[in-house]
Amino acid sequence: DIQMTQSPSSLSASLGDRVTITCRASQGVANYLAWFQQKPGSAPKSLISATSTLQSGVPSRFSGSGSGTEFSLTISNLQTEDFATYYCQQYHSYPLTYGGGTRVDLK
Amino acid sequence: EVQLLESGGGLVQPGGSLRLSCAASGFTFSSQAMTWVRQAPGKGLEWVSTIKSGAEKTYLADSVKGRFSVSRDNSKNIVYLDMNSLRADDTAMYYCAVGSDESTWGQGTLVTVSS
Repeated sequence: DIQMTQSPSSLSASLGDRVTITCRASQGVANYLAWFQQKPGSAPKSLISATSTLQSGVPSRFSGSGSGTEFSLTISNLQTEDFATYYCQQYHSYPLTYGGGTRVDLK
Repeated sequence: EVQLLESGGGLVQPGGSLRLSCAASGFTFSSQAMTWVRQAPGKGLEWVSTIKSGAEKTYLADSVKGRFSVSRDNSKNIVYLDMNSLRADDTAMYYCAVGSDESTWGQGTLVTVSS
């Protein structure tokens, strides 16, 4: 199974900050990497697929990059609605696996 | 608009069974793989199962293999998750999602396994 290691597990940031979350795969997943946002009491929402392709309606302050085993999600100009938990996921091979999540809260 | 509506969750005793359904609309259901993901209370996401568009291939997590099965009815735009021999550690919110990249999610249905 491919292990996904996400870091940090939590971070505190201020409005307007730029934050970066990293996801490392235990083996190469090409560009089959997705990012999700989840707010308390709600279902996850897809932000990015194929490493860097924003889903429809996702603000351009979200961006994804990487390839192979190292990936990142960057949120520039952090907004109030961005405080949430973020997960990476590889869909290169089964079983599909997720990172442990990164909680972003207000400093 | 893509919509997914899960149903069938509830309280069940250990060893019991449930069938979850996910009704889809707003996209060409028969062209898309469908995925089930679960989330135990306070925990992260866990992939459960994926079924290919024509049901020609199904995949199950080791934690549910032999107990759960996945199927779909492309004439009704519904995907099912049949869960047997349920255990306490199957307690979770169960979500269905479109594709292996899970581009759209339903709101989930809660399964509680307890005596």
